Amino acid sequence: QVQLQESGPGLVKPSQTLSLTCTVSGGSISNAGFYWSWIRQHPGKGLEWIGYIYYNGATYYSPSLKSQVYMSVDTSKNQFSLNLHSMTAADTAVYYCAREVYSSSSIGINWFDPWGQGILVTVSS
Amino acid sequence: DIQMTQSPSSLSASVGDRVTITCRASQSISSNLNWYQQKPGKAPNLLIYAASSLQSGVPSRFSGSGSGTDFTLTISSLQREDFATYYCQQSYSTPRTFGQGTNLEIK
Repeated sequence: QVQLQESGPGLVKPSQTLSLTCTVSGGSISNAGFYWSWIRQHPGKGLEWIGYIYYNGATYYSPSLKSQVYMSVDTSKNQFSLNLHSMTAADTAVYYCAREVYSSSSIGINWFDPWGQGILVTVSS
Repeated sequence: DIQMTQSPSSLSASVGDRVTITCRASQSISSNLNWYQQKPGKAPNLLIYAASSLQSGVPSRFSGSGSGTDFTLTISSLQREDFATYYCQQSYSTPRTFGQGTNLEIK
């Protein structure tokens, strides 16, 4: 059973860069059929998709965050990472990593499962 | 971006009730629609994928239907553990987008 676990700082100062890592266990990050995703949830709010990375390093970022985001993957450690630059209070949120499963035979039939437990990141001086 | 709109935003119901939550997409998304349940302090959990396919391990009282722009999640007989927030999400295109959520509360 695949499990995901986020790690990183819980507190970041304004203008700094947030670096989070998601460790995948119970399966290889290099297996085809999956995108490795980041999703965030502002306090008391809904879910916002940040983007994904494929095991070969290909990425897709949300246009609304594209200028602020960088993702990377380390297949040797079975990990993928999120860097979010120029953090402001508006970036305070719970950050989740998740596996997006896609069907090679049915375009668009994708879903997020499983998810990590989430990590609360607060931006404050 | 495809906008996803859920209704209602909140709902009060009793154990044993039949409940329906609606999700509308701003354009046709075929059957590329998923439903998640989120409990306080926890990550979302996949219930339904591809509009109507029940995720393994999810109770059969949950069902999904719809295609195009209009979708529904139905809980046939509410159990106490079903009180949570529910989100729809489209996988038709990027960026992936979610509905604003429906908070299901105990009456």
